[in-house]
Amino acid sequence: QLQLQESGPGLVKPSETLSLTCIVSGDSISSDYYYWGWIRQSPGKGLEWIGSIYDGGSAFYNPSLKSRATVSLDTSKMQLSLKLSSVTAADTALYYCARQGWRPVPKDFDNWGQGRLVTVSS
Amino acid sequence: QSALTQPRSVSGSPGQSVAISCTGTSSDVGVYNFVSWYQQHPGKAPKLMIYDVTKRPSGVPDRFSGSKSGNTASLTISGLQADDEADYYCCSYADTNTVVFGGGTKLTVL
Repeated sequence: QLQLQESGPGLVKPSETLSLTCIVSGDSISSDYYYWGWIRQSPGKGLEWIGSIYDGGSAFYNPSLKSRATVSLDTSKMQLSLKLSSVTAADTALYYCARQGWRPVPKDFDNWGQGRLVTVSS
Repeated sequence: QSALTQPRSVSGSPGQSVAISCTGTSSDVGVYNFVSWYQQHPGKAPKLMIYDVTKRPSGVPDRFSGSKSGNTASLTISGLQADDEADYYCCSYADTNTVVFGGGTKLTVL
């Protein structure tokens, strides 16, 4: 059974870089059928896609975050990572990692982690 | 890339049917049949309920159905149950390997 588990600091200072990891178990992160993505949810707000990546390919990003977000895969560690630079209070959110179907294009998210709350505050 | 438009809230009584709309543009919902819907209970991660506009993942009751007309997709829930009370989000493929979510709809079962 596929499981995704986010981890990382729960508190980040303004202007610093937010770093999160997501450990994938129960399925190969190198699968030909899936992307792996990050989605966030600000307190009391809706879902916002951040970016997605697949093994051997480029990452794709939400245009509104592209200049600050970096998504990467470490297949040896079965791990997905997110870095978001120059954070502000507006980046305070619950950050989810998720598996994303991609045939023929990246689309639905069929398995989600439980989320990691990150607060940006000095 | 603008968020898809959903009503803030809808409601219905047990046993009734409700529909939640999701309006996009000719760059996302209107041109691609890759709309998905998610159910989110308070404090829980979203759960995929519909993908590719009309398909249900294994385990999702057939009370949940999806459709699309033009730039608007819809999720219909028939035979409303108390446990259906949750937030619902739509999502669509939107060109150049990006996706966009709707703002979410709170479903209240009266």
